[in-house]
Amino acid sequence: GAGVSQSPSNKVTEKGKDVELRCDPISGHTALYWYRQRLGQGLEFLIYFQGNSAPDKSGLPSDRFSAERTGESVSTLTIQRTQQEDSAVYLCASSLMGSPLHFGNGTRLTVT
Amino acid sequence: AQSVSQHNHHVILSEAASLELGCNYSYGGTVNLFWYVQYPGQHLQLLLKYFSGDPLVKGIKGFEAEFIKSKFSFNLRKPSVQWSDTAEYFCAVNAKGNKLVFGAGTILRVKS
Repeated sequence: GAGVSQSPSNKVTEKGKDVELRCDPISGHTALYWYRQRLGQGLEFLIYFQGNSAPDKSGLPSDRFSAERTGESVSTLTIQRTQQEDSAVYLCASSLMGSPLHFGNGTRLTVT
Repeated sequence: AQSVSQHNHHVILSEAASLELGCNYSYGGTVNLFWYVQYPGQHLQLLLKYFSGDPLVKGIKGFEAEFIKSKFSFNLRKPSVQWSDTAEYFCAVNAKGNKLVFGAGTILRVKS
């Protein structure tokens, strides 16, 4: 079946612009995560959605970052007024609660 | 808050050498434990997981990991590495129902 789908796969934007990244999780997966992976670094947790519970936003680095999820389907991660330090691969993953994550291929964001 | 420590950021081994990658976590309650692997140019994939039961778990490609509750550890092992094991390895932990937290990763390079 279809895996986790992320779009776009690559995004180049100018400093100060807003960007929106999309994640289509596996159907039926109640949990959805966003992580960030900067070059040469590990996975940095950003935000976690679990069913209808309030999302865990504890990893969002600043108020320029926000994310939404519609029910148990699509999620969008929005970065406003992008900065060069936002350049990274943004990974989305979904799972059934407590089960291993299935990762998408990521969106490589480059802020010039 | 949960945290995960991976002791080595870079490991270089020759083929047929034995591998042990350390992982320690900080959380006093019941946890699920994972090792994920990211091969060059590929997305993250699950290597093995521990939920309960036998603390020695077997994963794909000859990898295994041992959960030692008293040491808050979940070290990854392989008796004889191959060149194709060159990858980045991530330990991850979540308390039941909570977000999944990753370690910083260990880059393994196997020399042929």
